[in-house]
Amino acid sequence: NAGVTQTPKFQVLKTGQSMTLQCAQDMNHNSMYWYRQDPGMGLRLIYYSASEGTTDKGEVPNGYNVSRLNKREFSLRLESAAPSQTSVYFCASLVGLQWGDEQFFGPGTRLTVL
Amino acid sequence: GDSVTQMEGPVTLSEEAFLTINCTYTATGYPSLFWYVQYPGEGLQLLLKATKADDKGSNKGFEATYRKETTSFHLEKGSVQVSDSAVYFCALSLASGGSYIPTFGRGTSLIVHP
Repeated sequence: NAGVTQTPKFQVLKTGQSMTLQCAQDMNHNSMYWYRQDPGMGLRLIYYSASEGTTDKGEVPNGYNVSRLNKREFSLRLESAAPSQTSVYFCASLVGLQWGDEQFFGPGTRLTVL
Repeated sequence: GDSVTQMEGPVTLSEEAFLTINCTYTATGYPSLFWYVQYPGEGLQLLLKATKADDKGSNKGFEATYRKETTSFHLEKGSVQVSDSAVYFCALSLASGGSYIPTFGRGTSLIVHP
C-alpha cells in the first residue's frame, strides 16, 4: 500500500515551458486535491476533484489545469510556466464518504521556474 | 468565509519544555478539526483530529480539545523532544455541496533544542 505517490520529486523549468505533475493513490479514495506551499503562505488549494469525473477550482487556479484520469489518478498541468509558479506542490486524497475524514498527502514535487 | 488562524512561529523550546500552539477558527457550519505535522522535506501527515465539541484528539503525547464556545483547537504537549521539530498545521473541514474542502492555517514552525 503506497498511499499517495507523486512524480517527479524535483523539476526545473524555463519560463514558458509546460509540464504535468502526476499523482496517484491506491486507497480507493473518492476525493483528490492539488495544493501549492510557499514560505509564510501555508497551503493554498489549486484544484480539487470531489469524485471521479468532476473537478473544481480552488483558491489559486490561474495558470493551471487538472485532469481526473480515473479514480486513482489526478494530474496537474502547467501550460506555460512562470517564475511565480516556483513552489512545492502537494497532492492529497480523502475518502470523502463521511464528515471527519482526514487527508493523506504525497511527498511533494519541488518545482523551480527560471 | 471559513478561516483558521494559528500563532506565528517559529516557536523555539528546549527539550522537555511544555508546548502550546494556539489555533482559532471561523466557520459557517460545524467543522471537523485537525492538526497535521510536516517534517522537513516531507508531505503533511495527520497528527490528531476531533469531530465534535469537547472531543479531545491525542497522539504521540500531543493533545487538542475541540472548544466550540471559544472556536479553538489548541495543540499541547507536556514534554517536547528534538524529534518534534517540524511545522504544525491546524485545519478545519466542512462539507460543501457533496465535497469536503479543508481550510488550513499558515503553519507554525517548532524548533526544539537539546
